[in-house]
Amino acid sequence: NAGVTQTPKFQVLKTGQSMTLQCAQDMNHNSMYWYRQDPGMGLRLIYYSASEGTTDKGEVPNGYNVSRLNKREFSLRLESAAPSQTSVYFCASDQDSGVSPLHFGNGTRLTVT
Amino acid sequence: QKEVEQNSGPLSVPEGAIASLNCTYSDRGSQSFFWYRQYSGKSPELIMFIYSNGDKEDGRFTAQLNKASQYVSLLIRDSQPSDSATYLCAVNPGAGGTSYGKLTFGQGTILTVHP
Repeated sequence: NAGVTQTPKFQVLKTGQSMTLQCAQDMNHNSMYWYRQDPGMGLRLIYYSASEGTTDKGEVPNGYNVSRLNKREFSLRLESAAPSQTSVYFCASDQDSGVSPLHFGNGTRLTVT
Repeated sequence: QKEVEQNSGPLSVPEGAIASLNCTYSDRGSQSFFWYRQYSGKSPELIMFIYSNGDKEDGRFTAQLNKASQYVSLLIRDSQPSDSATYLCAVNPGAGGTSYGKLTFGQGTILTVHP
C-alpha cells in the first residue's frame, strides 16, 4: 500500500527556474494538501483541495500554483523559483477536510540558489 | 498571536520519566486536535487525535483536551530514547470560519529522552 507518493525527493533550482512537484494518493481520500516546513516554523499550509475540482489558498500561497488533476493527484508548481522557497515540501491527504488524520508523503527537499 | 502555539523546547527528560507536551490554540470553535511525531528528516506520523474534552489514552500516550481553556496536551509515560523526536500539535479551526478544513500546526516541540 503506497499511501501518499511525492516526486521528486530532492531538487536544486536556480532563481527564476520553474518546476512542478507531483503528489498522488491511493487511499481514495477526498482532501489533499501542500505544506512547507522551515526550521522552527512547523508546517505551513500552502494550498489545499477539499475535493476534486476545488482548490483554496492556505497561509503562504504566494509564488505557488496548484492543480487537482483528479481525485488521486494534486500538483504544486513554482513558476519562478526564489531563494525564499527553499524548504521541505510535504503533500498530505485525508478523508474529510481536517476532521480525519492526515497522511503525509515522504517530502521533497527543495533548494533554490 | 499564532493560532496554535507550542513550547518549542527543547524538552529533555530521563528514560522512564513522563514527558509533558503542551499546545494552546486561539480559535474557540476548533473541533479536531491531532498530535504528530516527526523524526529528523522524516515525514510527520500520527500519534493520536482527540475530539472531546477529557483524556484519551493509547498505550503509553495520553492526549488531554480542555476546550474551555483552549489547550491540548500530550503525555508520554515511561519515555524511551526512541521517543526522541519533534512533536507537532495540529488543530482544525471551527466550522464557522473560512479556515475550516485547513489544519494548522504549531511550531513543534523537540523532545530528547536521555538514557
